Amino acid sequence: DAKTTQPPSMDCAEGRAANLPCNHSTISGNEYVYWYRQIHSQGPQYIIHGLKNNETNEMASLIITEDRKSSTLILPHATLRDTAVYYCIVRVVKWGYGGSQGNLIFGKGTKLSVKP
Amino acid sequence: GAVVSQHPSRVICKSGTSVKIECRSLDFQATTMFWYRQFPKQSLMLMATSNEGSKATYEQGVEKDKFLINHASLTLSTLTVTSAHPEDSSFYICSARQGSYGYTFGSGTRLTVV
Repeated sequence: DAKTTQPPSMDCAEGRAANLPCNHSTISGNEYVYWYRQIHSQGPQYIIHGLKNNETNEMASLIITEDRKSSTLILPHATLRDTAVYYCIVRVVKWGYGGSQGNLIFGKGTKLSVKP
Repeated sequence: GAVVSQHPSRVICKSGTSVKIECRSLDFQATTMFWYRQFPKQSLMLMATSNEGSKATYEQGVEKDKFLINHASLTLSTLTVTSAHPEDSSFYICSARQGSYGYTFGSGTRLTVV
């Protein structure tokens, strides 16, 4: 699976949009971009994933560049509870018996601090 | 939505004893579950892949005789840390794959070996 590069930390003011970048320049055509976050001492929480089209759900938006070499996770109105480590993960969905196979490999992520 | 329950959330054990951690998928069946370990201020490290009805697949450097994994049903995987030592103190997290794309994580188990 392709490697990802994220800034180690970012700050964001409460109520403002948080834009978290991720570089994945070696991504291949069948690799998806996943975003998870981990609040201190909890298990990771799924945020969003996409292949090449921009995606939006109730938590965030995912913007993937046309060449798919980078993406941005957008939290439209950050709150203090969004303070967490955000992980961008690229992986192949391998189809096999029983559905997709494979695991998630975590990098170091971006520590987002939302400040009042 | 999919829920993965992990128990216990915290455990303190004496050096040399064994500790079992349970991971259950509450509202879906999981043929494959994953076990991660996380040391303070570090990222999650995949330890092993647990497959229902077959042997687990361990990542390089993880001792399979020390970290016993059992996945006897489609909703339960267990990780047993045998003969625990202080260096095994860590945050252990399980996850289960649901459907085609989704990975749901448990809330983690903080193991402290004294």
